[in-house]
Amino acid sequence: EAGVTQSPTHLIKTRGQQATLRCSPISGHTSVYWYQQALGLGLQFLLWYDEGEERNRGNFPPRFSGRQFPNYSSELNVNALELEDSALYLCASSWGTCGTTDTQYFGPGTRLTVL
Amino acid sequence: AQTVTQSQPEMSVQEAETVTLSCTYDTSESDYYLFWYKQPPSRQMILVIRQEAYKQQNATENRFSVNFQKAAKSFSLKISDSQLGDAAMYFCALSGGYQKVTFGIGTKLQVIP
Repeated sequence: EAGVTQSPTHLIKTRGQQATLRCSPISGHTSVYWYQQALGLGLQFLLWYDEGEERNRGNFPPRFSGRQFPNYSSELNVNALELEDSALYLCASSWGTCGTTDTQYFGPGTRLTVL
Repeated sequence: AQTVTQSQPEMSVQEAETVTLSCTYDTSESDYYLFWYKQPPSRQMILVIRQEAYKQQNATENRFSVNFQKAAKSFSLKISDSQLGDAAMYFCALSGGYQKVTFGIGTKLQVIP
């Protein structure tokens, strides 16, 4: 069974640009979560999608947005990039049957560097 | 709001020994779940163990077990017979109200041969 995949592995952008990160969940999973993992800050919850709808978002500005496609894959967009957006962005998926109490399966992450 | 606190940034353990990682949390929800996730160096994060708050019995998974103290809002992870492959960042996480997951900042575990 294929795990959660994310692309690209690394992404280098300059301040003010836009970044698009992609995630493919495990087959059969309907929920996708996005997290930001900055050094020393643990995982910060960004967004949760289930069945194509945004179910919840963390304390991030509106320039962090995303969507979930009919095949349950997801995209995270970060507009007007700032230096402090440099981090590892993790995607996770779950069955979606019990909301966020489901076990989450994580992808390898996308390392975003903003210069 | 829910919070998760891991007060040990780094821990070390001798191979084959036992180590306990601490986690405290706070939530206003009566129904919630607690997790320990492991993130090995340059590898994907995986679930170690999961505990449902309404269950009195502490969860166990092979060499991994938890000490869940609901009244004290404490959820520690015990690793027995530590192995070199246990070296990783360990994150405690809390999900309450089925709407959000909050992670602690992690504990880096070093296993000494």
